[in-house]
Amino acid sequence: QLVLTQSPSASASLGASVKLTCTLSSGHSSYAIAWHQQQPEKGPRYLMKLNSDGSHSKGDGIPDRFSGSSSGAERYLTISSLQSEDEADYYCQTWGTGLWVFGGGTKLTVL
Amino acid sequence: QVQLVESGGGLVKPGGSLRLSCAASGFTFSDYYMSWIRQAPGKGLEWVSYISSSGSTIYYADSVKGRFTISRDNAKNSLYLQMNSLRAEDTAVYYCARDNHVDYWGQGTLVTVSS
Repeated sequence: QLVLTQSPSASASLGASVKLTCTLSSGHSSYAIAWHQQQPEKGPRYLMKLNSDGSHSKGDGIPDRFSGSSSGAERYLTISSLQSEDEADYYCQTWGTGLWVFGGGTKLTVL
Repeated sequence: QVQLVESGGGLVKPGGSLRLSCAASGFTFSDYYMSWIRQAPGKGLEWVSYISSSGSTIYYADSVKGRFTISRDNAKNSLYLQMNSLRAEDTAVYYCARDNHVDYWGQGTLVTVSS
């Protein structure tokens, strides 16, 4: 069964870096994912598509502070030089035959 | 630039029907898979349905199978979601989205199912 697992919450200080994790279920470690950001009271925004080899393609206007990496079944989103507007929910998402799946989301608090 | 604009949301009674529309612009609509994704109040994102670029392949989440119908009109650059037998748990903001990795989202339209 295709499942994505995310920690419910994370926090980091203004100006620091944070690494969010999305874990693919067993047998699905080759899958690409996408990361999406949802700021408070706004709709989601696409950040990037992240492949199993760590290569990624970002959406229009996404700053260089956002980067992605992969290791086995883990997919990471790293945000550097944290700004207040990075405080948001972050969702990972993947797709298979006849099925799209979202992780439960990670709420990032910028201290 | 790519734009996806949903419409058709509103308040409907349990058991009622509603049809959502999504107007696409800024890209060749007929080249892309499209999806509907929803978000219940205070909850995470849930995929609802997918349609291939030609409309020949369609999938639904188990939670809506048999009640919702996705369709598209490539001549009108439009995506639709016909929702029947609506339940309280269908209350959500419904988003139109492009491609497998959802590289563009609409702004969403709120559907409220309540008596």
